[in-house]
Amino acid sequence: TQLLEQSPQFLSIQEGENLTVYCNSSSVFSSLQWYRQEPGEGPVLLVTVVTGGEVKKLKRLTFQFGDARKDSSLHITAAQPGDTGLYLCAGVTTGFQKLVFGTGTRLLVSP
Amino acid sequence: KAGVTQTPRYLIKTRGQQVTLSCSPISGHRSVSWYQQTPGQGLQFLFEYFSETQRNKGNFPGRFSGRQFSNSRSEMNVSTLELGDSALYLCASSPSPLGLETQYFGPGTRLLVL
Repeated sequence: TQLLEQSPQFLSIQEGENLTVYCNSSSVFSSLQWYRQEPGEGPVLLVTVVTGGEVKKLKRLTFQFGDARKDSSLHITAAQPGDTGLYLCAGVTTGFQKLVFGTGTRLLVSP
Repeated sequence: KAGVTQTPRYLIKTRGQQVTLSCSPISGHRSVSWYQQTPGQGLQFLFEYFSETQRNKGNFPGRFSGRQFSNSRSEMNVSTLELGDSALYLCASSPSPLGLETQYFGPGTRLLVL
């Protein structure tokens, strides 16, 4: 069974602070995706990283895929209340058979 | 373009009953995947359908089944409901098979089993 462990599980910070969320596995994935989910809605894709060592930036969010394609991180700079939500990483298994989701990180950014 | 729609949005059933959930993908999308989300287990893959064929299945008992119609709409059925089946059931659609392109999630159906 392929597992993706996220840390931390919960994060409560003040507006303007920086944070990093980690997503780790012992398995290799074809690619890794990051989603954000808000209450009452389905997850929304933020980014897909495909190449080991790849770094992608989306405004204040920076995503990195580990060299061995087993882990990833999400760094948010100067967090804002609008960043509040559940962040999920998801690995696409080799052969594109299915998506394995991480355990989730619930982020609360207070004004 | 309309997003992924799921019906019903909320459902209350009792143990032993069966339930059918519906998912209408984005127009033109041929892949529909189903997921179960619970506080304890997180988001888990149930199965994926592409062009009316099940491509892969997660680790769920045979009580969970699905199908896809020629218009790509999909249904998921759970028979002999158990308390532990209470969850948010999400479907997601994509133009291509899972993993090749972005998949878009619907808002989910929240099922409560009493």
